[in-house]
Amino acid sequence: RKEVEQDPGPFNVPEGATVAFNCTYSNSASQSFFWYRQDCRKEPKLLMSVYSSGNEDGRFTAQLNRASQYISLLIRDSKLSDSATYLCVVSPASGTYKYIFGTGTRLKVLA
Amino acid sequence: DGGITQSPKYLFRKEGQNVTLSCEQNLNHDAMYWYRQDPGQGLRLIYYSQIVNDFQKGDIAEGYSVSREKKESFPLTVTSAQKNPTAFYLCASSISGTGYQPQHFGDGTRLSIL
Repeated sequence: RKEVEQDPGPFNVPEGATVAFNCTYSNSASQSFFWYRQDCRKEPKLLMSVYSSGNEDGRFTAQLNRASQYISLLIRDSKLSDSATYLCVVSPASGTYKYIFGTGTRLKVLA
Repeated sequence: DGGITQSPKYLFRKEGQNVTLSCEQNLNHDAMYWYRQDPGQGLRLIYYSQIVNDFQKGDIAEGYSVSREKKESFPLTVTSAQKNPTAFYLCASSISGTGYQPQHFGDGTRLSIL
């Protein structure tokens, strides 16, 4: 089993739709969780950190479910500009250098 | 503006040649990292450094070398021992190396073989 798993997609959704991605992780001791956005041939950019209580930033909501070992990203009112690959990143344990990257979920928002 | 600067954006390597990729940050971050990304794949860690004059191998360090003589700089050398160097190379930094804070990335260097 991979340490961090994501559905590669693509998720094709119409503008204005709500779409959700999940990311599962295998290490129950994982401490920190992040969502990044990566556009084609560009660097990953931090979208949001994921906290135990869940957090929201505009149209984006992230949730953490420790019992089932997954994090989720919800995008409401999708825009064409949301088209990108969304990377899930997990830091397995405290005091570690290691960030584990998922291979990403590709989103295409269609006009 | 604070950020991470990678140069060059594009680099071509001849057979048997060593090449060096530059990474400079002015975020005052302690930790710096080098990743490699191949098409359709996730990021793989090459080297990381938590403090000046100290660095550790990541998952795919063979054929690469680094130095960390200054807090701001973490250059990566791709040696001739790396037989398949064509990839997108990303440098990142974080406030510390504890894993609690997110990483921030430079805009990458694309390396190809001539």
